[in-house]
Amino acid sequence: EDQVTQSPEALRLQEGESSSLNCSYTVSGLRGLFWYRQDPGKGPEFLFTLYSAGEEKEKERLKATLTKKESFLHITAPKPEDSATYLCAVISNFGNEKLTFGTGTRLTIIP
Amino acid sequence: EAQVTQNPRYLITVTGKKLTVTCSQNMNHEYMSWYRQDPGLGLRQIYYSMNVEVTDKGDVPEGYKVSRKEKRNFPLILESPSPNQTSLYFCASSLGRGRAQYFGPGTRLTVL
Repeated sequence: EDQVTQSPEALRLQEGESSSLNCSYTVSGLRGLFWYRQDPGKGPEFLFTLYSAGEEKEKERLKATLTKKESFLHITAPKPEDSATYLCAVISNFGNEKLTFGTGTRLTIIP
Repeated sequence: EAQVTQNPRYLITVTGKKLTVTCSQNMNHEYMSWYRQDPGLGLRQIYYSMNVEVTDKGDVPEGYKVSRKEKRNFPLILESPSPNQTSLYFCASSLGRGRAQYFGPGTRLTVL
């Protein structure tokens, strides 16, 4: 069974303090790994897709990387508006396009 | 604007009263899916559809039905809602084949 574990569960940073969020996964053949941002009471917002180990994607202050066992979401010089829950999910080669999600990292950026 | 829409956004109902949550996408996506989100359990797939008239169960299908008569619409039906179906529901769509899924704004359902 596919599994996704995210750490830490919650993270508080000062504005400008860079850090990384971790997503460890086990999947029977990775078709894709996805990062989403979710604000309270809203739908997940797509950020990145990673397909193979060594791949990296960037968007503003966020950078996602992928290895064969885990992915990192690096956040550089965060701002208060980056506060949200960040979700990691995988799709297996042998599934039905189902996203298997981790439970997320709740990120708070303190001004 | 490319989007997934859901209605209603909020619903309070009573046990046993049939309800339908609508989902529509304007991106010509083949794949659509329903998820529910519960504290501590994350997002879990209820049902999915690979294309028109093709639907199948996800991980937590009990108590739900779906239909896909048109490509753009994928309603979720609760024929006899129970309190354990109180949750936040999301519809999502994608081009399939490992492509990103785009989520609707969510429907918060409370069953009393």
